[in-house]
Parts: sequence; C-alpha cells; structure tokens
Amino acid sequence: SQTIHQWPATLVQPVGSPLSLECTVEGTSNPNLYWYRQAAGRGLQLLFYSVGIGQISSEVPQNLSASRPQDRQFILSSKKLLLSDSGFYLCAGGLWGNNSPLHFGNGTRLTVT
Amino acid sequence: DQQVKQNSPSLSVQEGRISILNCDYTNSMFDYFLWYKKYPAEGPTFLISISSIKDKNEDGRFTVFLNKSAKHLSLHIVPSQPGDSAVYFCAASMNRDDKIIFGKGTRLHILP
Repeated sequence: SQTIHQWPATLVQPVGSPLSLECTVEGTSNPNLYWYRQAAGRGLQLLFYSVGIGQISSEVPQNLSASRPQDRQFILSSKKLLLSDSGFYLCAGGLWGNNSPLHFGNGTRLTVT
Repeated sequence: DQQVKQNSPSLSVQEGRISILNCDYTNSMFDYFLWYKKYPAEGPTFLISISSIKDKNEDGRFTVFLNKSAKHLSLHIVPSQPGDSAVYFCAASMNRDDKIIFGKGTRLHILP
C-alpha cells in the first residue's frame, strides 16, 4: 500500500526566510502528487499537483513553488516567506484516472513569525 | 468560486444516534466523490467514496448517498461513536482530471 512521508512535522520560520518542505512516496510508482494547505476556516486548498517528474501545475498564484526532481519526491519551496504562508501543509499521492482515493501524509505545521 | 460546499461548519450528535454530514457541488462534470476524516495535527484519512454511476455506497457504519440531480451528497454514520469526533471533508473529481477539490469541512462532535 502507498505511504506518504512528510517532514518536518512542525516548523517556525521568520518572515523573509526560505522554505523547503519535502514529501516522499513509498509503495507505488508514477503517482500523482499534490500539495494542499489547510488554513484556519479555509478547508483544504490545492496548491500544486504533479503527474510526473518535472511536471508541475499551479492552482494558486503566490510566492510558493513546487518541484518534482524524482518520481516519488515532491518539494514545496519559497524564497521568502510571508506571514500569510502560515498553515498546515499536506502532501498527498494517488493513482488518478482510476477513481482511486488520495493518501495523505501527516502534514507540516508552518508558523511564520 | 467554491465548487464543493459544506455549509455546516459544525455538527453535534448524541452517541449512538445517526450523524448526517452534507455536501453540495456545483460542477456537473464531477463523477467521483470522496469523504475524508481528519483529526487535529494529522493528515486526512480516506473513509468512503462513490462513483456517479451509483446513488449509494455502504461500508460498515458509513454510507454515502449521491443525488446527482440535486448535486448533493451526504455521509451517514450510524451508530455514532466518540471516536467519530473529527473534521469531515467532502471531495470531488472528474475522472479525466487530476485535481481533487475539497470542501471546507464539517467538525463533528459526538456527545456522550
């Protein structure tokens, strides 16, 4: 079965500092990978998704970016964090096109101070 | 534009009774619907799904009903248990699309 690994679990960063969150997938090949953010009262907002190495689709224009350097690795980055970037970031993976569910990692709680 | 709507931010239900969580969607092209459960500081876990070719899917205490004409789905939990207290997210997708769109969630409180 598929397992999504995310780290770190919590992170406190000052405004203007860079960000790198990593997600890796175990148990499947060529998954679709997703970054979601849960902000207070906002539900799960889709930020980026990737259907393959080097292929990134952005859903929300912002100062975040994503990269997929390897099949089972998905990275969320920022060059300069804003206060509004605080939230709970979730990586998910799935084999789409077959009506199968996404599996989520345990998330990273990011606080920008 | 919110394509998946969960209009009740919270719901309280007595233990042992039925919990009914509702979800509405606006995009008639959605053909696959899912429910997830989320505890604080954890990732969502998949509960149950339904394809648009069905109007009901059951898995133990969880049943999802789909009304395509009303663009509405609901999750029934019976009987409700204390461990069911969590945030429940409704999600939807089109089979030929890779995006899964989530609602804002409903916090379910199971009262003793």
